Amino acid sequence: EIVMTQSPATLSVSPGERATLSCRASQSVGTNLAWYQQKPGQTPRLLIYGASTRATGIPARFSGSGSGTEFTLTISSLQSDDFIVYYCQQYNAWPLTFGGGTKVEIK
Amino acid sequence: QLQLQESGPGLVKPSETLSLSCIVSGGSISSSSYYWGWIRQPPGKGLEWIGSIYYSGTTYYNPSLKSRVTTSVNTSKNQFSLKLTSVTAADTAVYYCARQGQWLPYFDHWGQGALVTVSS
Repeated sequence: EIVMTQSPATLSVSPGERATLSCRASQSVGTNLAWYQQKPGQTPRLLIYGASTRATGIPARFSGSGSGTEFTLTISSLQSDDFIVYYCQQYNAWPLTFGGGTKVEIK
Repeated sequence: QLQLQESGPGLVKPSETLSLSCIVSGGSISSSSYYWGWIRQPPGKGLEWIGSIYYSGTTYYNPSLKSRVTTSVNTSKNQFSLKLTSVTAADTAVYYCARQGQWLPYFDHWGQGALVTVSS
């Protein structure tokens, strides 16, 4: 099983600033990595797939990068709606696995 | 527009079987392009993949749950189902159904989620 580790668990950032979230895989997943965002009480929403491709309707301030075992989600200028939880997920191999999540909070 | 909707009891007794269905509308569950998956989220915790099923019946399960999980597809009703046996309080969670690509099985469409509480 591929273990996904997200860091930090909580990220404190001021509105308008850049946020950088990390996701590490215990073995290579190529670019078979997705990112999701989840607002409180809501369903997770696909943000990024293929490590760097934005899903339909996702603003350009969200970008993903990385390959192999190291991945990054960058939010270029945080808006009020962005202070929520983000998860990474590998789909390179079964069983599918999620990271533990990063909560982005207002500094 | 594709929509998924979970349905099933919100309360299950310990040791009994949790049963949920996911009704798919706006798309065919028989499409060869997709898997259909289940994910759960205990209160205040992260996401855990439970299992996925292809319309032909091919399944993949989380090894930690495999001995207790069964999924099935009903193409005539355009829905798929989850059964989790011998539940405990640790199985209390919001259960989501979702669509996945056949070759790139990330989750691109999700249901609203169904809270299932295990309690006597």
